[in-house]
Amino acid sequence: DSGVTQTPKHLITATGQRVTLRCSPRSGDLSVYWYQQSLDQGLQFLIQYYNGEERAKGNILERFSAQQFPDLHSELNLSSLELGDSALYFCASSVEPRGGEETQYFGPGTRLLVL
Amino acid sequence: QKEVEQDPGPLSVPEGAIVSLNCTYSNSAFQYFMWYRQYSRKGPELLMYTYSSGNKEDGRFTAQVDKSSKYISLFIRDSQPSDSATYLCAMSALKGAQKLVFGQGTRLTINP
Repeated sequence: DSGVTQTPKHLITATGQRVTLRCSPRSGDLSVYWYQQSLDQGLQFLIQYYNGEERAKGNILERFSAQQFPDLHSELNLSSLELGDSALYFCASSVEPRGGEETQYFGPGTRLLVL
Repeated sequence: QKEVEQDPGPLSVPEGAIVSLNCTYSNSAFQYFMWYRQYSRKGPELLMYTYSSGNKEDGRFTAQVDKSSKYISLFIRDSQPSDSATYLCAMSALKGAQKLVFGQGTRLTINP
């Protein structure tokens, strides 16, 4: 168990809908990352938040948005869903790197199926 | 061309064999190299972490980084059926940059 929690575990919805995925980082971790994993694209970095502020953006669609709250939990919002958005969505967390170390700990993921 | 290339396999070997998993990359700015293991329907878990070039050993696992060749490897000695999983290499650039770039992952099966 990595200490990162994600809810829900599974989500089935229809095209055009909007969903919210939730992530709680490990205790003490200030950074939260979101990733999308699909069979054809592999694990793709979407976005990073550090202590409530957006820090880095990856291949995140405009239909997707995220935020990190004062209690450090994070939510990923996916709107106008398309069939191709079906994937595993992972959250990861890490401490602020000291001395250059970089390690991220992943949650169990949310499996999204868009029908 | 992808920044990180990894043979997706699948790779199937008998129990006890030495397994070699590899990744190549094109971005010379990468300095931090990781291997993650992902069991089916689970999140990736960090297996090995290496900074810059060199070797690192942890039990049956050895990670090697050759920055001059832009090539990293993970060796598993005395492989066990419990090692059956997908192995992902991941890399990151400058200190403080936390955007990991992952390889496609290699699916490994260890046959009893």
